[in-house]
Formats: sequence, C-alpha cells, structure tokens
Amino acid sequence: GNSVTQMEGPVTLSEEAFLTINCTYTATGYPSLFWYVQYPGEGLQLLLKATKADDKGSNKGFEATYRKETTSFHLEKGSVQVSDSAVYFCALSDRRGYQKVTFGTGTKLQVIP
Amino acid sequence: DTGVSQDPRHKITKRGQNVTFRCDPISEHNRLYWYRQTLGQGPEFLTYFQNEAQLEKSRLLSDRFSAERPKGSFSTLEIQRTEQGDSAMYLCASRGEGGANTGELFFGEGSRLTVL
Repeated sequence: GNSVTQMEGPVTLSEEAFLTINCTYTATGYPSLFWYVQYPGEGLQLLLKATKADDKGSNKGFEATYRKETTSFHLEKGSVQVSDSAVYFCALSDRRGYQKVTFGTGTKLQVIP
Repeated sequence: DTGVSQDPRHKITKRGQNVTFRCDPISEHNRLYWYRQTLGQGPEFLTYFQNEAQLEKSRLLSDRFSAERPKGSFSTLEIQRTEQGDSAMYLCASRGEGGANTGELFFGEGSRLTVL
C-alpha cells in the first residue's frame, strides 16, 4: 500500500534560518504529492502540490520538487518566519480510483525570534 | 464558497455513549472523506463517499462506526458505545471532479472527541 515517511520533529529554528523537512514515499502507480500545513487551532490546509516528476510546487516561499528517482518530496524554505510555526504534513494521492490522500505523521516546526 | 464545516467542534462524552458528527462539504463537491487524527499523528483515512455511495471503508472503521451521506450532500459519522480509544480529532474533507483533478482535499476544522 501507499505510505509516506517524513522526518520527526519537533524542529526548532531561529528566524531567517533555512528549513528542510525530508519526505519520502512509497506508492503504486504515479501519485500526486502534497504538503499540508496545520497552524495552531486551525484546520489542515494545502501548502503546495506537484503532480508529475520534476514538478516544483511553491507557495509562501516554500518549495518542494517531485523526485521520482529518489521517491522524495522534501520541503524547503530559504528564510523562515515566526509565523511559519506549524505542523507540516507530507502526503500523496493516487491519481486513479478513489484518490484518497495518505499522510505522513507530521513535523512540528517552531521558529523562535 | 463557505468551505467545509463540521459540527460540533468539541464533544465530551462518557464511555459507552453514542456520538454523531456532521460534515457539510463545499456545495459543489461530490467526493467526501472522513479521517481520524490522534495526537502526534497524521490523519488516517476512515471512509469515502462519492455522492451518496460509500465506496471505501478502512479497517480502522469498526462495527461501532457508521457513516452516511443520504442525499449526497452533508454526511454524518456516528460512533456507538464509545471507548476511550475513540478519543481523537475527526476530520472531514471534500473535493470535486474535474479534468485537472490532482487529488487536493479541502478540510474542515475537525470535531474533537474526548471519551471519559
């Protein structure tokens, strides 16, 4: 079955530091890949997505590139802000069938001033 | 577009009681999903509806759990004879059809269940 593995947290960074959160996946077929974010007290929301190999998803300064050869989708940001403090979930979706989304366990990011 | 709404946001109940959660998806979305999220974990798939048809159920969904979507609009998730292990956040998500469908889900804010 499908699965997502992401680095465990929490990750604590100083403001303006570089962020990488690693994510690898196992899937049959050719999935779409996502990063979702959950801010304190809020629901899950899509941060970025990529639907085919070598696609780069980007949003709010975050980027992730769909690497089929390494089955990875690492999240990066060049300069984090305190407002980026949240839990980040890597996820994948089958492109066929019911297209349910499979999530990783989440990585908590805390950015300190 | 008012987003996905869930009710109640919080529910505290005693072990053995029944609880029901409601989800109102985005109006034009025909696909609806229920997930469960426990502390420190990612959301786990429970069940999926396409219109009013329940097409997939996870083995996490024991016989005490039942979900419905009677008219293909709102959905309910009922848990009978609750157990302490049922304590979790229950998330509802929806999405529509489309030629460029990439599987993105739109989530509600969740219904948090605490079983005492």
